[in-house]
Amino acid sequence: DVKVTQSSRYLVKRTGEKVFLECVQDMDHENMFWYRQDPGLGLRLIYFSYDVKMKEKGDIPEGYSVSREKKERFSLILESASTNQTSMYLCASRNFRGLAGGLGKNIQYFGAGTRLSVL
Amino acid sequence: DQQVKQNSPSLSVQEGRISILNCDYTNSMFDYFLWYKKYPAEGPTFLISISSIKDKNEDGRFTVFLNKSAKHLSLHIVPSQPGDSAVYFCASITQGGSEKLVFGKGTKLTVNP
Repeated sequence: DVKVTQSSRYLVKRTGEKVFLECVQDMDHENMFWYRQDPGLGLRLIYFSYDVKMKEKGDIPEGYSVSREKKERFSLILESASTNQTSMYLCASRNFRGLAGGLGKNIQYFGAGTRLSVL
Repeated sequence: DQQVKQNSPSLSVQEGRISILNCDYTNSMFDYFLWYKKYPAEGPTFLISISSIKDKNEDGRFTVFLNKSAKHLSLHIVPSQPGDSAVYFCASITQGGSEKLVFGKGTKLTVNP
């Protein structure tokens, strides 16, 4: 089974703090993604990474940055946390070129999420 | 502009009956469609998918139907069970394009015992 692990289930931070959200996948997937989920807004893509050291902005990158130094790890960084970044953060990974190939490559596997509260 | 729309924020059905969740899309370049299920405080889990070359895909109690001319897909759950109560997200992708999944806003399904 694919396992995507997010380091924290719940986080409480103060406005202005630098926040690191960590995500690790154990299936050698090339692609990794960060989303946030808010009521009534669904899942919105913040950043994604095709492979190590590669990153692309998603739909709502403002106030966030990412780091992918190793294939299995994708970090989301809130440079200066603000109250409007209080949300559920979800990490996902995808096997783009592996044995799953074909249509299976479209499936993203999600972690359990990190509920971040910024006070 | 919302490319994937789930117009019903919520749906309530009785146990044993059929649940039908709907999804509309506007981008004709989408060629693969997925449904995810999400319980509170958990990440979404993949449920079922369909390629644009098909109009139906079935997996146990779950069937997805695709109507390309109407740019509409639906997820049928028969029979519905209380454990199916969750938020269901429809997602679409253009293969060979940006490779990003585009999600709808979700439909909260409640199955009453």
